[in-house]
Parts: sequence; C-alpha cells; structure tokens
Amino acid sequence: GENVEQHPSTLSVQEGDSAVIKCTYSDSASNYFPWYKQELGKGPQLIIDIRSNVGEKKDQRIAVTLNKTAKHFSLHITETQPEDSAVYFCAASYSPDSSYKLIFGSGTRLLVRP
Amino acid sequence: DAGVTQSPTHLIKTRGQQVTLRCSPKSGHDTVSWYQQALGQGPQFIFQYYEEEERQRGNFPDRFSGHQYPNYSSELNVNALLLGDSALYLCASSLTGTTEAFFGQGTRLTVV
Repeated sequence: GENVEQHPSTLSVQEGDSAVIKCTYSDSASNYFPWYKQELGKGPQLIIDIRSNVGEKKDQRIAVTLNKTAKHFSLHITETQPEDSAVYFCAASYSPDSSYKLIFGSGTRLLVRP
Repeated sequence: DAGVTQSPTHLIKTRGQQVTLRCSPKSGHDTVSWYQQALGQGPQFIFQYYEEEERQRGNFPDRFSGHQYPNYSSELNVNALLLGDSALYLCASSLTGTTEAFFGQGTRLTVV
C-alpha cells in the first residue's frame, strides 16, 4: 500500500548549521509532496511543497529536492535558528479525483542548539 | 481570516461513549479532510468530505463517520470509543482541485 518513510527520527544541530531530512515514497503515481512543521500543541503548518514536474524549489532558508526515479525527496534548512526547532513531516499525495489525500511520514524532531 | 478552527480543543471521554468533533474550514475552502495523529506519529487520513459527501476514506472502521454541511463545516463522529482512539484529531481544509491543505490546531481526545 501507500507508504512514506522519513529519516532521521531525531536531528540535533548547532545554530547556523544546515539540517537535512529525507523521505522515500512507495506510490510512483504520487505527484505532490508537501512539508509540514508542527510545533508543540499546534496543528501542522505547510512550509514548502513541490510537484512532480519540478526537481527543486527554494524559499529563503528552506529548499526541497525531488528525485522521481529514486522516489526520494528531501528538505534542506540552511542557517538554522532556535525557532526552527519543531517536528517536521513529509507527505506524498496522488490525486486522480482532485482530492489530494496526504500520506505522512513518521516525523523528524529537529532541535537547534543555541 | 480565522483559518481552520476546530472545537473543542480538549476532550475526555469514557470507553464505549460517542464523541463529535467539529471543524470550520478556511474561508473560500470547500473540502474538509480529517486525520488522526497518535502520539509521536504522523497524521493518518481518516476521510475527506466534498459537496456534503464522503469522497475518500482511509483504513478506519465504520465507527468513524462524518458529515459536511452546506456551509462546508464538518463533523467527525466516533462511536463505541476505545482506549486506542486517544489521539490528536486534525481537520484540514482545501479548495478542491488545488493542492495546499491547511490544518487546524486539532482536538486532543483522551479515552479513559
């Protein structure tokens, strides 16, 4: 069935360093890949997304890359700041009927040490 | 724009009881999806409502049911609660045909 694997489960970096989170999806028909940030006590917040016809997308300190052949996609955060500390989720979606059901990874807890 | 709002924020129920959770979508959105997030895990898709009908369903038993009203707001109902139903229940709204889904803050359900 549909599955998204996410690594690592926890990641600790020094402030200013880069952080990379990787995901692999199983359904080759998936065509939309969002990343969400979830802070304690809050719902997931969409931070960046990429579609299957694009290989890379950047938004300030955040970038996402997609390798459709390998069914891999990654989140890159540069110049990390303490406020980047949160749980990050990747997701994959395939929508033949415009419904875009999201299949989530298990999450990465990112800790940015001051 | 208030975004996606869910009520209540916290709820404690006894095993065997029934519960109703509510969601108001972001202004302009017509589709509501419900997710269950167990502690330390990623959200799992329960079902999605569009035009007042269930459009897709995840791998959840019939104890989980929903409804969407003409104003696009939605309810999630869970019957015969089990201890394992304890989780954060998230509502996400979107505009059909578009990809971005916006989540509410969730309802924390505890079954005792």
